[in-house]
Amino acid sequence: DIVLTQSPATLSLSPGERATLSCRASQSVSRSLAWYQQKPGLAPRLLIYDASNRATGIPARFSGSGSGRDFTLTISSLEPEDYAVYYCQQRSTWPLTFGGGTKMEIK
Amino acid sequence: QVQLVQSESELKKPGASVKVSCRASGYTFTNYAINWVRQAPGRGLEYLGWINTDTRNPTYAQGFTGRFVFSLDTSVRTAYLQISSLEAEDTAVYYCARGDYGTSGKYFFDFWGQGTLVTVSS
Repeated sequence: DIVLTQSPATLSLSPGERATLSCRASQSVSRSLAWYQQKPGLAPRLLIYDASNRATGIPARFSGSGSGRDFTLTISSLEPEDYAVYYCQQRSTWPLTFGGGTKMEIK
Repeated sequence: QVQLVQSESELKKPGASVKVSCRASGYTFTNYAINWVRQAPGRGLEYLGWINTDTRNPTYAQGFTGRFVFSLDTSVRTAYLQISSLEAEDTAVYYCARGDYGTSGKYFFDFWGQGTLVTVSS
């Protein structure tokens, strides 16, 4: 199975700051990677698919980049509603797998 | 609008069975796969597998064969996850999620149910 390793595990930043989250795959997934946001008590929400495409209704402050094994989710300027856990997921190879998550917390 | 509405939380004893439902609306049910994902308390997301809503063929991730069964009732646009011989380790929130397109089994999940908490405790 493809292992996705997310870093850091926790990211402490203030509103307005830029956030950079990383996801590294154990083997190449080409661009077949998505990012999800999950808030407490809610289901995950698709943010980015195919590494860099924003899902419907996702604000432009969210952007994704990368290919192969290394991927980045960037939030250009943190809003209060962005504090959540973020997961990456690959669909290059079955079984589909998720990273362990990065928790974004208010500094 | 697309919605996936799941059944309510369940409390079960070890060894019992549970059946979680996921009712879809707002799109053609048989055009999109239904996937199942679980999340143990305080943990990350774990993929269980998917069911082809057109052919009814289920595919299970390793570790989720035998006790886990995916099924459908297309007349009411509903997918089901049944878990038998429940163990404490099955305690989790179970989500259904729509596969974004196709029948390859390789999906991103564009819409999610609200989740169903299954608690296994004596």
